[in-house]
Amino acid sequence: IAGITQAPTSQILAAGRRMTLRCTQDMRHNAMYWYRQDLGLGLRLIHYSNTAGTTGKGEVPDGYSVSRANTDDFPLTLASAVPSQTSVYFCASSRDFSNQPQHFGDGTRLSIL
Amino acid sequence: GQQLNQSPQSMFIQEGEDVSMNCTSSSIFNTWLWYKQDPGEGPVLLIALYKAGELTSNGRLTAQFGITRKDSFLNISASIPSDVGIYFCAGFLIQGAQKLVFGQGTRLTINP
Repeated sequence: IAGITQAPTSQILAAGRRMTLRCTQDMRHNAMYWYRQDLGLGLRLIHYSNTAGTTGKGEVPDGYSVSRANTDDFPLTLASAVPSQTSVYFCASSRDFSNQPQHFGDGTRLSIL
Repeated sequence: GQQLNQSPQSMFIQEGEDVSMNCTSSSIFNTWLWYKQDPGEGPVLLIALYKAGELTSNGRLTAQFGITRKDSFLNISASIPSDVGIYFCAGFLIQGAQKLVFGQGTRLTINP
């Protein structure tokens, strides 16, 4: 079934450690996105990529980095995790960077201790 | 940043009842999307609206793009237990970068 695959499903991480969340889509969508979802704050955009090779900053980019080496993959890296980065992270994609609907993965639940 | 005001925040209803929720903003949108999120899963697209005044149905779900372009509503008719979840509105602003703005969600609970 076509869609978005995120890994890992969940992770507990010590503060200060480096972590990469993986996201792969097989819909050949040009645009991809990373969001974090926190209780009371809803979904907030971290970074996005409108096409392979380009990325941009969202609403809450600090402490995160992304890369887009090819169309299918869009990993999110926490260089040095802090407790405030405890959250549920969702990857999404859309056909292009326009008003096309975004389709979401099932998320990675990350706890930083 | 831009905000969507989604209401109600939560609803507790009996199975079989109709449900209505809405999103409003002071800004103008060119697209409205409605998503449903089940526990432990990502948001799933229910309905997409692209034109002011547009009324679109998906089974028991009906959504409308407000004629002012500043609001949208979602109705669910004859609710069933599997309708339980969190419903999000989202929209693309008519001005500025194409970044999706989300409402805070409506949590729907159904008593059988």
